[in-house]
Amino acid sequence: ETGVTQTPRHLVMGMTNKKSLKCEQHLGHNAMYWYKQSAKKPLELMFVYNFKEQTENNSVPSRFSPECPNSSHLFLHLHTLQPEDSALYLCASSQDSSQGEGNQPQHFGDGTRLSIL
Amino acid sequence: GQSLEQPSEVTAVEGAIVQINCTYQTSGFYGLSWYQQHDGGAPTFLSYNALDGLEETGRFSSFLSRSDSYGYLLLQELQMKDSASYFCAVNSWGKLQFGAGTQVVVTP
Repeated sequence: ETGVTQTPRHLVMGMTNKKSLKCEQHLGHNAMYWYKQSAKKPLELMFVYNFKEQTENNSVPSRFSPECPNSSHLFLHLHTLQPEDSALYLCASSQDSSQGEGNQPQHFGDGTRLSIL
Repeated sequence: GQSLEQPSEVTAVEGAIVQINCTYQTSGFYGLSWYQQHDGGAPTFLSYNALDGLEETGRFSSFLSRSDSYGYLLLQELQMKDSASYFCAVNSWGKLQFGAGTQVVVTP
């Protein structure tokens, strides 16, 4: 599925580097999400944006900084990361995150595999 | 607090039936979703149950019992391509809370 595209697919960076992850969705959705996926652990929700407004920050350290310039694009700016931040970072989108009831499946990108040296 | 429990791994042969159970504790429960993720790939949506009962979509079915805080995903006529991780996810207050996933290994 090419509905949600993430770049880069792989990223290796040192702890003092600054880099950004990019996500773009072509599904006309209004909500976008960042998740962290570590081995053998549940997907951890990091941030939620609905209609370009951040509606959820799940106690994420400030070394992760999201940006949502419009409903189709989402960035995750990284700086001064730690080795434990090595993981697969997944972006997802859905029609609208404010509708709690009803089936609004999230569509995921293939993720960025991040390795911190 | 919120929690989801599902088995870590299930192994079965081609053509068999596999049931992946999911129990949950949460507040503001709206429904239970299931996602499939192949190695190196994106999680993809399989099914959603908001009401008690069985939902069937081809070879896959999903069941929910709200009173028991329990659901399951049933994979029938297993194929090699079904080897993947399967996640249950609770829709709680509009957000998805994922389980740790069940690795399904299909053998010839």
